[in-house]
Amino acid sequence: GDSVTQMEGPVTLSEEAFLTINCTYTATGYPSLFWYVQYPGEGLQLLLKATKADDKGSNKGFEATYRKETTSFHLEKGSVQVSDSAVYFCALSDQGYSTLTFGKGTMLLVSP
Amino acid sequence: DARVTQTPRHKVTEMGQEVTMRCQPILGHNTVFWYRQTMMQGLELLAYFRNRAPLDDSGMPKDRFSAEMPDATLATLKIQPSEPRDSAVYFCASGLLETQYFGPGTRLLVL
Repeated sequence: GDSVTQMEGPVTLSEEAFLTINCTYTATGYPSLFWYVQYPGEGLQLLLKATKADDKGSNKGFEATYRKETTSFHLEKGSVQVSDSAVYFCALSDQGYSTLTFGKGTMLLVSP
Repeated sequence: DARVTQTPRHKVTEMGQEVTMRCQPILGHNTVFWYRQTMMQGLELLAYFRNRAPLDDSGMPKDRFSAEMPDATLATLKIQPSEPRDSAVYFCASGLLETQYFGPGTRLLVL
């Protein structure tokens, strides 16, 4: 079956540091890939998505590129802020299905 | 800015009581999902609907949980009777095609 594997957290960074959160997936078809973010006490928010190989999703300074050859969708940001502290979830939706398969989430803590 | 709304946002109840959680999906979305989030289990899919028809509820404990969509603007999740192990945050999400949009959640505490 489909699965998503994320790096375990917490990831602790200082403000303005470079961020990478690794995500790899296993899927039978050609999935769409997503990053969601959950701030404390809130629901999940769609951060970015990519629907086919080599697509790059981007939003609020975050980027992720759909790499079919390495089955990866790593999240990056060039300069994190304290306000980016949250839990980040990688997810996939297999072709033809509307359900999402989520990773376990990675907590990011950014200190001033 | 269209959003999924959920009520109540917080609920404290005693074991054995009925709990009803409500969700208003984004207008025009044809799929609705119910999730449960706990520290131990993470995010679990409980049930989902497409065009108001239940497609999968295999993630729900059948004996006490039920999910319905009486109309296109309302989805409900009921627990009867509630147990302390049901304490969690329950999220509703709605979607069109493959992208889902989450509500703010209902934080349930069963004493």
